Amino acid sequence: DGGITQSPKYLFRKEGQNVTLSCEQNLNHDAMYWYRQDPGQGLRLIYYSQIVNDFQKGDIAEGYSVSREKKESFPLTVTSAQKNPTAFYLCASSILGHEEKLFFGSGTQLSVL
Amino acid sequence: AQSVAQPEDQVNVAEGNPLTVKCTYSVSGNPYLFWYVQYPNRGLQFLLKYITGDNLVKGSYGFEAEFNKSQTSFHLKKPSALVSDSALYFCAVFTSGTYKYIFGTGTRLKVLA
Repeated sequence: DGGITQSPKYLFRKEGQNVTLSCEQNLNHDAMYWYRQDPGQGLRLIYYSQIVNDFQKGDIAEGYSVSREKKESFPLTVTSAQKNPTAFYLCASSILGHEEKLFFGSGTQLSVL
Repeated sequence: AQSVAQPEDQVNVAEGNPLTVKCTYSVSGNPYLFWYVQYPNRGLQFLLKYITGDNLVKGSYGFEAEFNKSQTSFHLKKPSALVSDSALYFCAVFTSGTYKYIFGTGTRLKVLA
């Protein structure tokens, strides 16, 4: 089955801890994205990448970091600098191009202990 | 600045009645518009898109959307609502040049039996 796999489904962070959310895709897509979803605020873009070893900040990148060492993988680290990390995190991918739809993973719910 | 607005947090409709979920946009250049649906604790699923051409776009699950350039709107419609259509619906615009998708805040559709 082709698709995007996010893990874990639920994650808990302690004070001062960095945590990493995994996102893997086997769709051979060039572009990958991380969104944060909060109730009533829709989806906000954290980081995105159009090619391996390159990525750009989105609208709310502070307190987050990413890497894109392989085409199929785009992990997101929520650092201790992110003071309000509780949210639902969604990873997506697409073929490059303005006509192309996004394919989403099933999300990771991050909560603070 | 490019943006998407969904003016209704929630729309209630009786099963069998037509439904409309509203979306307006602000973009420079040609708009590339999308609708996605999200079921609880899941990622988003693509419904339909407008790139160019016919103003009435047909998509998955019997949904359609009407593009209106003069009103800068892209409302989602369905002639006869089903209880299973109850979900969170997002309108999105693709911003050419930066390869970013901007999402609205979402509209919760509740179809009453």
